[in-house]
Amino acid sequence: QQQVKQSPQSLIVQKGGISIINCAYENTAFDYFPWYQQFPGKGPALLIAIRPDVSEKKEGRFTISFNKSAKQFSLHIMDSQPGDSATYFCAASKDTDKLIFGTGTRLQVFP
Amino acid sequence: NAGVTQTPKFQVLKTGQSMTLQCAQDMNHEYMSWYRQDPGMGLRLIHYSVGAGITDQGEVPNGYNVSRSTTEDFPLRLLSAAPSQTSVYFCASRIRQGINQPQHFGDGTRLSIL
Repeated sequence: QQQVKQSPQSLIVQKGGISIINCAYENTAFDYFPWYQQFPGKGPALLIAIRPDVSEKKEGRFTISFNKSAKQFSLHIMDSQPGDSATYFCAASKDTDKLIFGTGTRLQVFP
Repeated sequence: NAGVTQTPKFQVLKTGQSMTLQCAQDMNHEYMSWYRQDPGMGLRLIHYSVGAGITDQGEVPNGYNVSRSTTEDFPLRLLSAAPSQTSVYFCASRIRQGINQPQHFGDGTRLSIL
């Protein structure tokens, strides 16, 4: 049973473009929604996270949009750069502990 | 600070062999966890611990044992390895005090079971 669904599986974006990755969750008890970035051979690293009491959070070029009624949240990467090429995972949990991850999106940004 | 250190980085086992994956953190984090990462499936929680002497099962615990005798270490044991346990294993830790404290991941152990 997949509690967090992520799309697309892969994404190709030109440098300077906007990358958008979407996730949907099922459990309404979830109250923590992080995005992780993973480079080959490395562990996931927290990129940005949001709680359901806000609809948007922005940190630099990265923005999370959150729609509580639709049980969906998305990651927007503005002015995408080749250095952003990585795999991105959304996740959800109750109380930040037992993270349920999406299946990942491989982003490639071409110059 | 070294953060979360996992050893070994790579390992090949034969079916039926036993092995312990090591995880150590030097951040005095109470919470530690083990995930496995498989292609197309994201990361799935195997076991977790909220402090020394306390462990609990995650989403996919079968075939794995854990113990937490110290705050720093959280080893994962495979008692009788099976090919289905071929995966990349990640250990993570976080401080429990305060909200929004992120989980910090190690760089993983790549395990192949023949």
